[in-house]
Amino acid sequence: KAGVTQTPRYLIKTRGQQVTLSCSPISGHRSVSWYQQTPGQGLQFLFEYFSETQRNKGNFPGRFSGRQFSNSRSEMNVSTLELGDSALYLCASSWGGTGSPSGANVLTFGAGSRLTVL
Amino acid sequence: AQSVTQPDIHITVSEGASLELRCNYSYGATPYLFWYVQSPGQGLQLLLKYFSGDTLVQGIKGFEAEFKRSQSSFNLRKPSVHWSDAAEYFCAVGAPILGGSYIPTFGRGTSLIVHP
Repeated sequence: KAGVTQTPRYLIKTRGQQVTLSCSPISGHRSVSWYQQTPGQGLQFLFEYFSETQRNKGNFPGRFSGRQFSNSRSEMNVSTLELGDSALYLCASSWGGTGSPSGANVLTFGAGSRLTVL
Repeated sequence: AQSVTQPDIHITVSEGASLELRCNYSYGATPYLFWYVQSPGQGLQLLLKYFSGDTLVQGIKGFEAEFKRSQSSFNLRKPSVHWSDAAEYFCAVGAPILGGSYIPTFGRGTSLIVHP
């Protein structure tokens, strides 16, 4: 089955602009998580959406937001871009429901969206 | 809150040699544990996971990891490294929430360099 698809793969923006990134999860997965990866801070959790609701949130400013649609596709938005927002943004999907954790809630990652802010 | 430490930033091995990547975690109970691998410009691929049960876990690509509760460790091993194993390796720990859900916390990663 198809994996997690992130678009666009690469993009360049300037300071002050805003950006929207998209993530299509594996079919049947209802949870989508977003991570920011930078050389300085490593992988940091942004937020998680489950059934169109934000279920968990990391420690990022309000400029970072997201949403999830009824088909489980998710978008994240960063407004008023800063140089420090340059990063690889990774999306991961999982079944996400409660119950046995034996395999259903393992995260599957997309290839990421590489954002460069000039 | 949980945390994970990968003490080695870089590891260099010769092709065919054995490999062990270290991972130590901090969490009050038994967490969920994972190893992921990332090739340049790519996302993370799951190598193996531990949720409960047998403390020696087998993964893909010939990797295995052992959960040692007394040492709060989850070290990754491979008996014979191939040049294609050169990549960044991430250990992650997840505290169980919501009856099976979790948010993993990742280590800073270990870069594996393989010499021919």
